[in-house]
Amino acid sequence: DAKTTQPPSMDCAEGRAANLPCNHSTISGNEYVYWYRQIHSQGPQYIIHGLKNNETNEMASLIITEDRKSSTLILPHATLRDTAVYYCIVRDTGGYQKVTFGTGTKLQVIP
Amino acid sequence: GAGVSQSPRYKVAKRGQDVALRCDPISGHVSLFWYQQALGQGPEFLTYFQNEAQLDKSGLPSDRFFAERPEGSVSTLKIQRTQQEDSAVYLCASSLNEYSYEQYFGPGTRLTVT
Repeated sequence: DAKTTQPPSMDCAEGRAANLPCNHSTISGNEYVYWYRQIHSQGPQYIIHGLKNNETNEMASLIITEDRKSSTLILPHATLRDTAVYYCIVRDTGGYQKVTFGTGTKLQVIP
Repeated sequence: GAGVSQSPRYKVAKRGQDVALRCDPISGHVSLFWYQQALGQGPEFLTYFQNEAQLDKSGLPSDRFFAERPEGSVSTLKIQRTQQEDSAVYLCASSLNEYSYEQYFGPGTRLTVT
C-alpha cells in the first residue's frame, strides 16, 4: 500500500516557486520523508530528505508539518529543467527497507 | 566520478526469448536494487542485494525473473521466455550501504517485447 499521497500533476511558471505537497498521514516516528525526481528518460535522482525539521540544500527546501502528516517540497525558482515527476517517499533508515515510489506529481514548468 | 551504468540502453526481444540486462553500480557500493517501471508509473521494486547476497526478491513478478550479483559488484537481471507484459524500463540503483539515505540510479534499460 502507498504510504504517501500526491497530486498527479501541477504547473508552475518559470522563475516562480514550485510548491509540491505530499500527505503521509500514517508516517511513524522513525520514518523519514524523502523526495526524488525523475526527468524524462532518466533514472530517479535524490533531492532531499528530512525527519521533522525543515531542511534546505542547493536543490530545494523541505517543509514538514509539526504533526509530520504532510510535507511540501519547494523549488524556489523553477526553471524549465525542473520539469519532471517528483516522488515523495517515506522510509525508515534503520537498515534496509524496500522503497515504494508511488506515481508522483508531474510538474510542468511553463515558460 | 562514474555513476551507475546499465546496458543495453534499449532491447527489443521477441516473445519467448531470454534477455539479460546488466548493471554496473558505483564502485564500493554495497547495496544494489532493481526496479521495473511501466509507462506512466513509478518504479516498482524487484529485488535487493547486499554485496553478493540477494536479501529480498519479493518484488520479482514470476519465476521467469532471475537476478544475480556473484562477486558483489556487477549485477545481471535475466528474464526468461519474455512476455509482452514484461515491456518496461528496468532501473538499477546502488547505495553505499543499507543505511544510506540516497540511492543512485542508472539510466535504465528499455525492454520492448514484440
